[in-house]
Amino acid sequence: DAGITQSPRHKVTETGTPVTLRCHQTENHRYMYWYRQDPGHGLRLIHYSYGVKDTDKGEVSDGYSVSRSKTEDFLLTLESATSSQTSVYFCAITTPGGTNVLTFGAGSRLTVL
Amino acid sequence: SQQGEEDPQALSIQEGENATMNCSYKTSINNLQWYRQNSGRGLVHLILIRSNEREKHSGRLRVTLDTSKKSSSLLITASRAADTASYFCALGEAGSYQLTFGKGTKLSVIP
Repeated sequence: DAGITQSPRHKVTETGTPVTLRCHQTENHRYMYWYRQDPGHGLRLIHYSYGVKDTDKGEVSDGYSVSRSKTEDFLLTLESATSSQTSVYFCAITTPGGTNVLTFGAGSRLTVL
Repeated sequence: SQQGEEDPQALSIQEGENATMNCSYKTSINNLQWYRQNSGRGLVHLILIRSNEREKHSGRLRVTLDTSKKSSSLLITASRAADTASYFCALGEAGSYQLTFGKGTKLSVIP
């Protein structure tokens, strides 16, 4: 997980509250991603970013927003958390070299009660 | 975008045996990657195979790709208890920096 950190690592919140997860990288990589991992579904892409202020939706973007005001930080926000958003969230960055090989963070476990 | 499908969903073997897991997909790809995930951790990249390659090796790992059958296999030889993890295939499509992951194969290696 060198060069990429996620915070918080664990969070319990209640339905309807806003939640922001942070992904911080020290590698100066252009591409950053947010995935969620759920049993029976594998990893699904929520949003990704290809530069400062440049973001796009992934497969399961409903209920999520993102922001990237600096190269090193990619924030994932749940405006009003629901129980269906209970999941493990992973941030990833693209390693250099022109390929789409990803380096993942350690994950953020979110429980929405 | 498509999703790869791994087979089997779970695999249990004795230490020293070989483990084979498969990934099938539906449309054309630029590359296919395999990742490992230890319990409670993030995914770690293992190996990438491009669409114009048929086989790649990395240590005890051997990956094959058959684009005509739209399938790939990951072979782990002489397995160790430390290989116990979930293994995911990920599909990379041409012109995209996105990866689409399968649901994974859970491998248990019994000492």
